[in-house]
Amino acid sequence: AQSVTQPDIHITVSEGASLELRCNYSYGATPYLFWYVQSPGQGLQLLLKYFSGDTLVQGIKGFEAEFKRSQSSFNLRKPSVHWSDAAEYFCAVGEGAQKLVFGQGTRLTINP
Amino acid sequence: DAGITQSPRYKITETGRQVTLMCHQTWSHSYMFWYRQDLGHGLRLIYYSAAADITDKGEVPDGYVVSRSKTENFPLTLESATRSQTSVYFCASSESTSMNTEAFFGQGTRLTVV
Repeated sequence: AQSVTQPDIHITVSEGASLELRCNYSYGATPYLFWYVQSPGQGLQLLLKYFSGDTLVQGIKGFEAEFKRSQSSFNLRKPSVHWSDAAEYFCAVGEGAQKLVFGQGTRLTINP
Repeated sequence: DAGITQSPRYKITETGRQVTLMCHQTWSHSYMFWYRQDLGHGLRLIYYSAAADITDKGEVPDGYVVSRSKTENFPLTLESATRSQTSVYFCASSESTSMNTEAFFGQGTRLTVV
């Protein structure tokens, strides 16, 4: 069965610091991977997605993620965070929108 | 307004009552979904629909009923609400079933069952 693990429930970083959010997946075939962000009181917004090709994927808001098949990981990174990046981040795996399996989420707090 | 909207945004109901959460999308997307979001569980799929009059169960369907008489609407009904159904509910829609399809989410409905 598909599963997604986000090992960090809560991460705090200082504004301007770099960020890496971890995501590990379990999937029997070639995975389709997604990162979503949920700002307080809002729905989920797609940051980026990976289906094939280049393992380094660029997304919106300056985020990127790297697919590492050998480690079953799809970690999200940003070189310099802004206070507006404070949100909850979800990693998901699936075969298209109708079969998404989400991780538990990582809440990001930004220190000024 | 274009997009996907959920109503109400907040709802408090009593145990045993029936409550319906509404979801409306203006894109004419074929697929629509209902998820619940609980601490420690992320989002879990309750039901989804591939088209009008076609629905299917997701991971956690027990206690919920859905219908889809029109493409744009996908209401979720809790026939007899229980405290364990206290959660944040998200509706989503997508254009197709292709592998690179993106799902678009509503703002969520926070439901409290007392």
